[in-house]
Amino acid sequence: EVQLVESGGGLVKPGGSLRLSCAASGFTFSNYSMNWVRQAPGKGLEWVSSISDSSIYIYSADSVKGRFTISRDNAKNSLFLQMNSLRAEDTAVYYCTGVSIAAGYNWFDPWGQGVLVTVSS
Amino acid sequence: DIQLTQSPSFLSASVGDRVTITCRASQGISSYLAWYQQKPGKAPKVLIYGASTLQSGVPSRFSGSGSGTEFTLTISSLQPEDFATYYCQQLDSYPITFGQGTRLEIK
Repeated sequence: EVQLVESGGGLVKPGGSLRLSCAASGFTFSNYSMNWVRQAPGKGLEWVSSISDSSIYIYSADSVKGRFTISRDNAKNSLFLQMNSLRAEDTAVYYCTGVSIAAGYNWFDPWGQGVLVTVSS
Repeated sequence: DIQLTQSPSFLSASVGDRVTITCRASQGISSYLAWYQQKPGKAPKVLIYGASTLQSGVPSRFSGSGSGTEFTLTISSLQPEDFATYYCQQLDSYPITFGQGTRLEIK
């Protein structure tokens, strides 16, 4: 069964740091580009960051550039998001997602169940 | 950045209705568009990719069309399990962006 399981969320004070992890199973993780997508409470989806299968290409949203770092460990089938200098507006459910490709098109699949990050004093 | 504008933002409909959601891109994105369904407390689920290709396992009452800057998601006959929020997403270029969502509720 294809599965992505996020961990590492929780309550953190403004200015603090947190590291999210995503454990992949049921598919060849090293063949997939991966992403983090977040969703603030009651709001829409926001793409956060992407990393290619071999970590050569990394992209991040302007809202997190310089504060968040995406990385992966293919030997451990794991994706990470190091979040520094956290702000109240980073409060959200963070989803780990893969990139599926067919016929020249791609889309985000699979998805994890999400992990809540709350930034509050 | 490519902006995606969905309309309507909210839709009230009945079981059996045909509904259409529109997604407009601020610049051309060819067919690099996907549609997702999200239910409360759950992760999004892809319905359509490449603007018009139905993801495996998705009921055929869902269909997508369009290219360039205007796209539509159509549900031909609403079922109770279809009441959810729908998002379009462009994968033409970074930053990847999503529409603001269309919340579909039971009338």
